[in-house]
Amino acid sequence: AQRVTQPEKLLSVFKGAPVELKCNYSYSGSPELFWYVQYSRQRLQLLLRHISRESIKGFTADLNKGETSFHLKKPFAQEEDSAMYYCALSTGGTSYGKLTFGQGTILTVHP
Amino acid sequence: NAGVTQTPKFQVLKTGQSMTLQCAQDMNHEYMSWYRQDPGMGLRLIHYSVGAGITDQGEVPNGYNVSRSTTEDFPLRLLSAAPSQTSVYFCASSYGLGGRRGYTFGSGTRLTVV
Repeated sequence: AQRVTQPEKLLSVFKGAPVELKCNYSYSGSPELFWYVQYSRQRLQLLLRHISRESIKGFTADLNKGETSFHLKKPFAQEEDSAMYYCALSTGGTSYGKLTFGQGTILTVHP
Repeated sequence: NAGVTQTPKFQVLKTGQSMTLQCAQDMNHEYMSWYRQDPGMGLRLIHYSVGAGITDQGEVPNGYNVSRSTTEDFPLRLLSAAPSQTSVYFCASSYGLGGRRGYTFGSGTRLTVV
């Protein structure tokens, strides 16, 4: 079965510092990886997908199949980035459409 | 577009009571899912559906039932509420290619079972 691990429950940085939220996964096939974000008192929303290779709000994430990782990075953190971040994995086959989430990382960006 | 609408937003149940959490989407999405969110556990999949009339179990299905009679609606039924079902419940929907375009989430239902 697939598994997503976010090793940091809490991450604190200062404004302007680089930030990296770690995500590791286990899955024997070719997964699709996502990052979701939940700002305070807002609903969970998609931040980015690995298949689109996009940069959203300055965040990027690269799928490293060798290390089975999909870390989220931003070179200069902003206070408005403070939120809960979830890494998620989608697989094919009979589990098509299912998302498996990590435990989440609470990011706090201090002024 | 209202997106994904969940009702109620808050609910308190007594142990043993049953209830239905409602979820509706107006985006014609074929994929719909129910998750529960618990501290330190992330989001765990309860049930999901790939289209009207088709449902499957997720990671934590015990104590919950679903049905999908229309594309728009995906209600979650708690058969006999237990304190372990105290959680925040999220409904989500997506379309195309197994949801690879990403899921749209509802605002959640905070359920307390006493």
